[in-house]
Formats: sequence, C-alpha cells, structure tokens
Amino acid sequence: DQQVKQNSPSLSVQEGRISILNCDYTNSMFDYFLWYKKYPAEGPTFLISISSIKDKNEDGRFTVFLNKSAKHLSLHIVPSQPGDSAVYFCAASARNRDDKIIFGKGTRLHILP
Amino acid sequence: DADVTQTPRNRITKTGKRIMLECSQTKGHDRMYWYRQDPGLGLQLIYYSFDVKDINKGEISDGYSVSRQAQAKFSLSLESAIPNQTALYFCATSDWDGGPDTQYFGPGTRLTVL
Repeated sequence: DQQVKQNSPSLSVQEGRISILNCDYTNSMFDYFLWYKKYPAEGPTFLISISSIKDKNEDGRFTVFLNKSAKHLSLHIVPSQPGDSAVYFCAASARNRDDKIIFGKGTRLHILP
Repeated sequence: DADVTQTPRNRITKTGKRIMLECSQTKGHDRMYWYRQDPGLGLQLIYYSFDVKDINKGEISDGYSVSRQAQAKFSLSLESAIPNQTALYFCATSDWDGGPDTQYFGPGTRLTVL
C-alpha cells in the first residue's frame, strides 16, 4: 500500500506560469517531507523539504505547502522555466532512527515554450 | 569530483550471469541505499545499510544481494540476472541527524539483461 502518492504521472505548464505538483500521504507519523528533481540519465537531486510542524517553506522560485489535516502537500514553482522540465519525486521521512524515507512514483513536468 | 559515484554507468549482460554494481561515496555518510527505477514505478528500495554492520532488505530484495565493504562502499550483486531486472539502478547516501533524511544520489547505472 502506497504511503506516499503522486496521482498525476505528468503535467504540462506554459513557461512563465505557475507549476503545482501535488502529493498525498497516509501516515500521520511522518515528520518531514521532501521534494526531489530528476533529469534523464542523472540521479535525483534534493530540492526542498518541510517539517511537519510548518505549513510553508520557500526557497527562491520553489515553495512547498503542507496541509496536515488533509495529508497533502504541494510544490509550487513560480515562474516556471524550461530547465524545470524533469521528474519530481515527493518523499516522506519520520524522526525515528530506524525509519527510512518513502518515495512517491513521481510526476513528469513539461514546461512548454 | 562527484560525492557519490557508481560503476559501471552502463552494463549489458546475459540472462544467468552474475554481475556487481559498485557504489562509493566521499560524503562520510553512514547510511547507504540501493534503488531501482522502472518507468512509471518511481524509486523502489532494494537494500539499505545504516552502518557497516547493518544491512536491511527493502521492498524488492529478491534476486539481489549486497555487501558493505566499508563506510564508503556499498555493492549490489545480481546473482543470476534475468530480463526483468533491466532497469536504472541508483545508489544513495544520507546522514540522518534527527531531521529530514535527505538522500544524495549517484548518477545511476543503466543495466540491460538480454
């Protein structure tokens, strides 16, 4: 059973517009949520994270919003740029030392010219 | 120089062959992981190691084995390769400190089993 779900396999957004990638989770024990970005033929790279005690974290063009009551988080990219075209993975981890990070299946973002 | 390196980057092998994928890191992290990526299936955890003496199975460990030779080295072996093990394989490291378990990935190994 998937604990971290990304229900949209792909998303197309016009350059300059806002990209919104969504992620749902089922385990209320997760303490941190992370977003990774992956280009073809490269390994995923860490993008941004958020603690479960916060509802927003911002880093430049990237903002992650967390709605704990809905067990939902989203990554906003504003404005979208061609280099943002990639696969984005949502992930979750708990504070317990023995717990490992759980990844979603990813959403492929296409930025259209 | 890359912090997490994987060798080989590409490998084509035949069914039944034993192969080893190697991962080295210079980040000084205790935790190391092996994932495979198939189209549409995201990242599936094969094995993970929280320190040199600690090895754990992940979601899809059947047909794979690992060896943690040192803090910096974590190898993945396919004992008898089969075509459905054709995939992208990623090694990752992390240094858990009670915060988000941020993982750092290698560039990947593209494995094809004929």
